[in-house]
Formats: sequence, structure tokens, C-alpha cells
Amino acid sequence: AQSVAQPEDQVNVAEGNPLTVKCTYSVSGNPYLFWYVQYPNRGLQFLLKYITGDNLVKGSYGFEAEFNKSQTSFHLKKPSALVSDSALYFCAVRDIGDSSYKLIFGSGTRLLVRP
Amino acid sequence: DVKVTQSSRYLVKRTGEKVFLECVQDMDHENMFWYRQDPGLGLRLIYFSYDVKMKEKGDIPEGYSVSREKKERFSLILESASTNQTSMYLCASRGGSANTGELFFGEGSRLTVL
Repeated sequence: AQSVAQPEDQVNVAEGNPLTVKCTYSVSGNPYLFWYVQYPNRGLQFLLKYITGDNLVKGSYGFEAEFNKSQTSFHLKKPSALVSDSALYFCAVRDIGDSSYKLIFGSGTRLLVRP
Repeated sequence: DVKVTQSSRYLVKRTGEKVFLECVQDMDHENMFWYRQDPGLGLRLIYFSYDVKMKEKGDIPEGYSVSREKKERFSLILESASTNQTSMYLCASRGGSANTGELFFGEGSRLTVL
């Protein structure tokens, strides 16, 4: 069965510092991996995805994520955090071999960037 | 830009009432989804639809039904609302390939059942 783990409920970082939001996954085959962001009282917005190719994926708002197959991880990173990055972040996975095309979400990590 | 519109942002209903949550997308996407979001549980899939009049159960379909009579519209129905259905409901449609396409979400409908 597919699953996604976001081990941190909350990540705190000072503005200007690098940030990392962690995500590990479990699938029986190869994964497609996604990151989404949710601002207060809003729906989710797509940030980036890994399908194939380069393990380092660049996305919206200066975010990037690195796919690590041996560690089954897909951590979200940004070199310099902004206060406006404060939001709820979700990692999601789909197993390439799953014909239902379902996307499985993690429980979310709240990022708090302090001025 | 893709727009997914959920008609009601906030609803308050009483136990036993029938509740309709409406979702419309304007990009001619074939796939549409209903999730519920609860703190600490992330998003859980209720139902999804590959195309008009087609529906598939997700992970938590009990107490819910759906309707997809037109391609752009996907409705979630709570036949008899209960307090444990108090939640944020998110509708999404999928762009591009069903295999690799990302989801586009509506703003959400926060339902409170008293």
C-alpha cells in the first residue's frame, strides 16, 4: 500500500535562513511525488512534482525538492525563507503502477517563518 | 488559469439534514475528486470520478455519495449529516495526464454539523 510520512508537525525557521520540510514515502513500485501548499482558509496550491529525470526539482516561489530513491525521501527546501512562506505544506505520492491514479497525501507540516 | 469553484465556503447544518456540496471546474478536466481535510489526518479521498457519470469510491466513502452529470460539475452529497462529518471539504480536478498531472483545488467548504 502507498503511504506518505511527514515526520514534523511544525517547522520553525527565521526569515532569511534555509528551510527544509521532510517527506518520506512508501510505494510498491516507482513513485510520482508532489508538494502542495495551503494558506489559511484556502485550498491547496501545487508547488512542484517529480515524475522522472533530474532528482532536483524546482518549483514555484523559489522552492525545490530532491528525490532520493535510496532513502525514499522527497524533502522540500528553500535557500532563504520568507515570512510569507508560513503555511501548511503537504507531500503526496502516487505509485506509477497503481491503475486507480489515486494521490495519497501526508498529514501536513506547518511552516512558521519568524521575522 | 484553472478555476475550481466550490459554491459554499461555510455551511452550518443540523444532524440528519441532507447536504449538497457543489464543485465546478472550467478547464474541461476529466478527473475530479472530493477530499476531506481534518487536523493531523491530512487529506483523505472520499470519491473520485474519471468522467461523466463515472464514480469510484475513495478511502472513506461511508456516509457520502456523489453525482457527475456534467463534465464540469461534481457534487458531494451527505444523505443524513452527522456530527462526525464536520470537516473541511476540498474539491479538485486533475489537469494533463491522469498519470502525472497535478491536482487543482477549490477554496474548500467548511461544514459544521450541529
